[in-house]
Amino acid sequence: GQQLNQSPQSMFIQEGEDVSMNCTSSSIFNTWLWYKQDPGEGPVLLIALYKAGELTSNGRLTAQFGITRKDSFLNISASIPSDVGIYFCAGFTGANSKLTFGKGITLSVRP
Amino acid sequence: GAGVSQSPRYKVAKRGQDVALRCDPISGHVSLFWYQQALGQGPEFLTYFQNEAQLDKSGLPSDRFFAERPEGSVSTLKIQRTQQEDSAVYLCASSRWAGGNQPQHFGDGTRLSIL
Repeated sequence: GQQLNQSPQSMFIQEGEDVSMNCTSSSIFNTWLWYKQDPGEGPVLLIALYKAGELTSNGRLTAQFGITRKDSFLNISASIPSDVGIYFCAGFTGANSKLTFGKGITLSVRP
Repeated sequence: GAGVSQSPRYKVAKRGQDVALRCDPISGHVSLFWYQQALGQGPEFLTYFQNEAQLDKSGLPSDRFFAERPEGSVSTLKIQRTQQEDSAVYLCASSRWAGGNQPQHFGDGTRLSIL
């Protein structure tokens, strides 16, 4: 089935730094979503992208839908301690309503 | 409440027992989804309801897994004769309308441990 690839598995940054995460696929997706999950909680939607090339911001977060429709990136600027968590990319292929998720990237922010 | 509510938050069962997990979606949301999340992995799709109709159950791992949403609101995921490999977090999500590509809003999940 479709897979979304996220790497590395973990990232460590200093508070105040910017960080960028990438998500790639061998298949075309027509919608990309970015979620954040804290321990013991469900994923929380950060940004949704619907058109190839689209660039969308939500506060310090910016995400882009790649023009090939096979990738997306999420950028977090001026990181703060509460940015710690697991970031998942997810997407719809358009063939059905099921979301496909990546394995997630665990972000650690050093004060 | 405003969000997706799941109960219980934690469930411990002995191998071979049956379990039932409940999901209360956001009020008025037409679509409801169940996902299974293993440790260190992303959620994986199990099944999808549009109102009371189960339109996709392709992700259910075996016939021991059964889901229902009889009145188009609350849903129950039932696992019969549980096995150790069923241990995971079970997430429920809902979206406002029918059809694909809408953001799905997740509950906090039920963490199931099979001893």
